[in-house]
Amino acid sequence: DIQMTQSPSSLSASVGDRVTITCQASQDISNYLNWYQQKPGKAPKLLIYDASNLETGVPSRFSGSGSGTDFTFTISSLQPEDIATYYCQQYDNLHSITFGQGTRLEIK
Amino acid sequence: EVQLVESGGGLIQPGGSLRLSCAASGFTVSSNYMSWVRQAPGKGLEWVSVIYSGGSTYYADSVKGRFTISRDNSKNTLYLQMNSLRAEDTAVYYCARDRYYYDSSGPIRYFDYWGQGTLVTVSS
Repeated sequence: DIQMTQSPSSLSASVGDRVTITCQASQDISNYLNWYQQKPGKAPKLLIYDASNLETGVPSRFSGSGSGTDFTFTISSLQPEDIATYYCQQYDNLHSITFGQGTRLEIK
Repeated sequence: EVQLVESGGGLIQPGGSLRLSCAASGFTVSSNYMSWVRQAPGKGLEWVSVIYSGGSTYYADSVKGRFTISRDNSKNTLYLQMNSLRAEDTAVYYCARDRYYYDSSGPIRYFDYWGQGTLVTVSS
């Protein structure tokens, strides 16, 4: 199975800060990577697909980049409503999808 | 409006069986890939199983041979039959529409709609 390693596992930042989360795949996954946001007690929500495409309706302060094994998720200006856990997810292996372990984002 | 509603969770003893249901509205289950994803208490997301529009099924190694994914086209409903349950299967189980298509850059796949989740607790 393809392993996805996110860092950091938790992050504390101030409103207005630029926040960056990284995700590393154990092998080349091209651009087959998505990012999700999950708030406590809720189902995950798709933010970014195909490494860099913003899902319809998602604020433009969210962005993604990368290809191969190294990917980055960025919030350009952190808002209070962005407090959540963020997950990357690969789909290079169509029959065995894997998620990163998650990054918990808190307000400082 | 697309909606997914899971049901069937509950408390079950180790070794027992449970069947989860996911009733879909606003789209046709059989025309889409559909997946189950679970989340153990306080832990991350784990993909469990997928059924393709053509009917092929795949499973995570952790549930292979114990879980079976299926669908009822007449009811537009997805199922997950869980047998030989273990304590480590305790989790919230989500069904999700597993959107898959091709564009100019190649295959695109993501979970675009999720249910609210149903809690399965395996404990004696």
